[in-house]
Amino acid sequence: AQTVTQSQPEMSVQEAETVTLSCTYDTSESDYYLFWYKQPPSRQMILVIRQEAYKQQNATENRFSVNFQKAAKSFSLKISDSQLGDAAMYFCAYREYGNKLVFGAGTILRVKS
Amino acid sequence: GAGVSQSPSNKVTEKGKDVELRCDPISGHTALYWYRQRLGQGLEFLIYFQGNSAPDKSGLPSDRFSAERTGESVSTLTIQRTQQEDSAVYLCASSSQGTTGNTIYFGEGSWLTVV
Repeated sequence: AQTVTQSQPEMSVQEAETVTLSCTYDTSESDYYLFWYKQPPSRQMILVIRQEAYKQQNATENRFSVNFQKAAKSFSLKISDSQLGDAAMYFCAYREYGNKLVFGAGTILRVKS
Repeated sequence: GAGVSQSPSNKVTEKGKDVELRCDPISGHTALYWYRQRLGQGLEFLIYFQGNSAPDKSGLPSDRFSAERTGESVSTLTIQRTQQEDSAVYLCASSSQGTTGNTIYFGEGSWLTVV
């Protein structure tokens, strides 16, 4: 079965600085999708960024970017110029085409002013 | 609709009672998912519906849990004889078919408290 591991239960970052959240996954498939979701205290799951495994180029969405290392099965999220509104729980997730999402345990991100 | 809609947003029930949680997916989305999230924890997969295929029920924790979906629309998650351990947020999500439709959109969840 596919598994997703987030080894950092909690991270802190100073406002305006950069932070990287780690994620590794286990799969025997070659075609799949990876996601980072943000869950603020409102508990609404918000899609931050997605990456198709067949694309070598790392996805970028404004201040959010990923470092996708397919061979290493690693998918880290970098948040640049951190803002107070970035404070939330972040989940890494894996999905094969058409199948369910498998989530990691999450990383709590705290942003200090 | 504009997004995934869930009801009720909050439910308090007595131990032993049955509860039904409803999910309205985004219009046109063929895939629908239910997840459970206990306080301070990650998302636990419960069940997955994809079009007319047999649902993937591999995540249902016991036979007290069941879910139905009518065509490609509304889904209901039913928990019978609720226990205190069932207290959690139940999140519904949907996605469309096709390679560009693999983003999954979540509702705001139904917070269940069993007392």
